[in-house]
Amino acid sequence: DTGVSQDPRHKITKRGQNVTFRCDPISEHNRLYWYRQTLGQGPEFLTYFQNEAQLEKSRLLSDRFSAERPKGSFSTLEIQRTEQGDSAMYLCASSRGSGFLNEQYFGPGTRLTVT
Amino acid sequence: QKEVEQNSGPLSVPEGAIASLNCTYSDRVSQSFFWYRQYSGKSPELIMSIYSNGDKEDGRFTAQLNKASQYVSLLIRDSQPSDSATYLCAVYPGGFKTIFGAGTRLFVKA
Repeated sequence: DTGVSQDPRHKITKRGQNVTFRCDPISEHNRLYWYRQTLGQGPEFLTYFQNEAQLEKSRLLSDRFSAERPKGSFSTLEIQRTEQGDSAMYLCASSRGSGFLNEQYFGPGTRLTVT
Repeated sequence: QKEVEQNSGPLSVPEGAIASLNCTYSDRVSQSFFWYRQYSGKSPELIMSIYSNGDKEDGRFTAQLNKASQYVSLLIRDSQPSDSATYLCAVYPGGFKTIFGAGTRLFVKA
């Protein structure tokens, strides 16, 4: 049973460029989450998928951010026209989704630096 | 008022001592509670989950939950230098979103 994987692990981009991150959840986990974490803060919720359906989006997720989970397997998070304020660790987590249990397991994260 | 509050620390304890980490939450309907350990530059790792009032023990870790006081804690017995990390409290009120505190930094001095 492999854990959650994310790619790339690090991304440096120039302001205004588009970036895309990928997350592969633990197999059989139907819930998938994206979070953003900055230094000294806990993970901030961005969006949630149950299978292929995106059921919740944070107001933090501006129209420059989009996420997909085709066929309920891997997910992608795209940031268009990146800004320096987008620099953060982007974390993906998955869970089995058994009612109130919802134990989430995180991937290693993608560290984004916008110059 | 923040939804999940933790003392940012740092909390410093000597090796072999008990480290006590605390967390309060604002949503009374919260159902599930989690503790994550996060080493510098790494992602959070789930170490404990608790759903019912009382204590839950797993090795050197004990989670304590008091829903009436909206309080959850984590005790680490026989603390080791390798326990030095940031500990994140997370609360699941149901629905879609889990809410994380900002974390408490723990230093265990050898």
